[in-house]
Amino acid sequence: QVQLQESGPGLVKPSETLSLDCSVSGGSIGGSRYYWAWIRQPPGKGLEWIGSMYYGGSTFYNRSLESRLTISADASKNYFSLRLTSVTAADTAVYFCARHSYGDFAYVDSWGQGTLVTVSS
Amino acid sequence: DIQMTQSPSSLSASVGDRVTITCRASRGISNYLAWYQQKPGKAPKLLIYVASTLQSGVPSRFSGSGSGTDFTLTISSLQSEDFAIYYCQQYNNWPPLTFGGGTKVDIK
Repeated sequence: QVQLQESGPGLVKPSETLSLDCSVSGGSIGGSRYYWAWIRQPPGKGLEWIGSMYYGGSTFYNRSLESRLTISADASKNYFSLRLTSVTAADTAVYFCARHSYGDFAYVDSWGQGTLVTVSS
Repeated sequence: DIQMTQSPSSLSASVGDRVTITCRASRGISNYLAWYQQKPGKAPKLLIYVASTLQSGVPSRFSGSGSGTDFTLTISSLQSEDFAIYYCQQYNNWPPLTFGGGTKVDIK
């Protein structure tokens, strides 16, 4: 049973960079037929897909965030990361790391517990 | 991008009630639809995928149906642990993956 765990600062200043890591256990980022994804949820609101990465293959980003966003991975340490630059209060959200299948069946079958990131000075 | 619209946005129901939630896609997505349940302070949990396939471990009182643009999630007999927010998600035409706005099920 794969487990995912987010880590990173809970408070980021406006215009700075939000950086989060997701540690994966019980499964391997490299060599598995899964995408590794980030999804966020502003307080009291719905879910927004941020982006998905297939290790050694394609990475897809939400077009509304693409210019500020980087998702990367370190297979040797079995974790993947989110980097979002020039943040504003609108980026305040619970950030979830997640896994979904490669190919046609891109439903999310595993989620991290989520971490709240607040953008405030 | 495909937009997903859920209705109602909230509903009140009693234990034992039959509950139906609707999700509509802005264009056809075949049966590439998933349903999730989210409880306060928790991550969403996958309930159903491919519109009607129950994820392992999910109680059989949950069921899904539909194809194309119109989908439903039904809880046949609502239990106390089912009070939560439910989201649909399409994955037919991605990126992006898109979610419905959610349906909150609370106690009448």
